Amino acid sequence: EIVLTQSPGTLSLSPGESATLSCRASQSVSSNYLGWYLAWYQQKRGQAPRLLIHATSNRATGVPDRFSGSGSGTDFNLTISRLEPEDFAVYYCHQYGDSRTFGQGTRVQVK
Amino acid sequence: VQLVESGGGVVQPGRSLRLSCAASGFTFSSYDMHWVRQAPGKGLEWVAGTSYDGSNKYYAESVKGRFTISRDNSKNTLYLQMNSLRPEDTSVYYCARDGRLSMVVILPFEYWGQGIQVTVSS
Repeated sequence: EIVLTQSPGTLSLSPGESATLSCRASQSVSSNYLGWYLAWYQQKRGQAPRLLIHATSNRATGVPDRFSGSGSGTDFNLTISRLEPEDFAVYYCHQYGDSRTFGQGTRVQVK
Repeated sequence: VQLVESGGGVVQPGRSLRLSCAASGFTFSSYDMHWVRQAPGKGLEWVAGTSYDGSNKYYAESVKGRFTISRDNSKNTLYLQMNSLRPEDTSVYYCARDGRLSMVVILPFEYWGQGIQVTVSS
């Protein structure tokens, strides 16, 4: 089983700042021509998760371009530039190339 | 796209429960489907998945041998039969649909239901 480790556990930032979230896999994630099978989700309190990024760096429909994904192999990042009030939430990485596993989450909170 | 879970509740350890997920707004028989759970205050855990036609089924190690995923494409409904329930199975259970842009491009858990609470307690 591929274990995903996210860091930091909590990020305290102000609106307008940028956030960089990390996700490290215990072994290399599978890939195709679009990228590695690594996705990112946003979850707000009391809501279901929302798909933000698939295949490492491809934004899902309707996701603002301030969200961007990068990385390869075992190391991946989600960057949120210019945090908006609605971006404060918990973010999960997810690999779907070898069964399915999630990271433990990173909380982005208001400083 | 709408996914609506039902069948949750409070159950004693060792007992069984069946969850349902009613799908609408898309061609249910064309998409892979999954169950994902979230324990109170914890992260997400994938539980089980099934291919679009039900011919392939996959399980997390934590539920293998106790839970069974199935689907009825004539009723546009996904199921999760949960047997030998344990207190650690207490979670919100989400039904989720994969999307697909091509044969090799999956949109994992593109759509989610609102979730249903399952509590295992004596």
